[in-house]
Amino acid sequence: GNSVTQMEGPVTLSEEAFLTINCTYTATGYPSLFWYVQYPGEGLQLLLKATKADDKGSNKGFEATYRKETTSFHLEKGSVQVSDSAVYFCALSGASSGYSTLTFGKGTMLLVSP
Amino acid sequence: EPEVTQTPSHQVTQMGQEVILRCVPISNHLYFYWYRQILGQKVEFLVSFYNNEISEKSEIFDDQFSVERPDGSNFTLKIRSTKLEDSAMYFCASTKEGGLGETQYFGPGTRLLVL
Repeated sequence: GNSVTQMEGPVTLSEEAFLTINCTYTATGYPSLFWYVQYPGEGLQLLLKATKADDKGSNKGFEATYRKETTSFHLEKGSVQVSDSAVYFCALSGASSGYSTLTFGKGTMLLVSP
Repeated sequence: EPEVTQTPSHQVTQMGQEVILRCVPISNHLYFYWYRQILGQKVEFLVSFYNNEISEKSEIFDDQFSVERPDGSNFTLKIRSTKLEDSAMYFCASTKEGGLGETQYFGPGTRLLVL
C-alpha cells in the first residue's frame, strides 16, 4: 500500500538556521506530493506541492523537489523564523488506491527559538 | 479568502452515544472528505463524497460511520455509537474538482473525546 515516512520530531532550531525535514514515500504509479503545515490551534494548510518528477514546489521560502529516483520530497528552508514553528505533514495522492485522497506522514513538529 | 469551517471545535461524549460533526465546505467545491488524527498518530483518510454519494472509503469507515449532505452547504459525519477509540481530531476537507494533484482545503478540525 501507499505510505509516507517523515523524520521524527521535534526539530528544534534557532532563528535563521537552515531547515531540512526528510520525507520519503512508497507508492505505485505517479503520485502527487504535498507539504501541509498546521499552526497551533489551526487546521491543515497547503504549504507547497509537486505533481511530477523533478518538479520543485516552493512557498514562503520553503522548497521541496520531487525525486522519483530516491522516492523523496524533503522540505527545506534557508533561514527559519520563530513564526515557522508548527507541525509539518508530508502527504501524497493519486497513487493506485485513491485518486485524490491523501496519505499522510506522522508529522514533524518544528520549534524555532529567537 | 473562502475557507472550510467545522463545528463544534470540541465535543465530549459518553461511550455509546451518537455524535454528529458538521462541516461547511467552500461553496463552489464539489468533493468532500473526512480525515481523522488520533493523538500522536498519522492523519488518516476516512471517506470521500461526491454528487451525494460516497466515492471512496477506508477500512476505518465501518457501519458505525455515515456521511450526509443534508442541504446545499453542510456536510456531516455521524458516528452512531461512539467507542473510546473514536477519540481523535476530525478534519473535513474539500476540493473543487477532485482531480489529480488538486489541493485539498482543510477545516480547523473537531476534537472529539469519548469517555
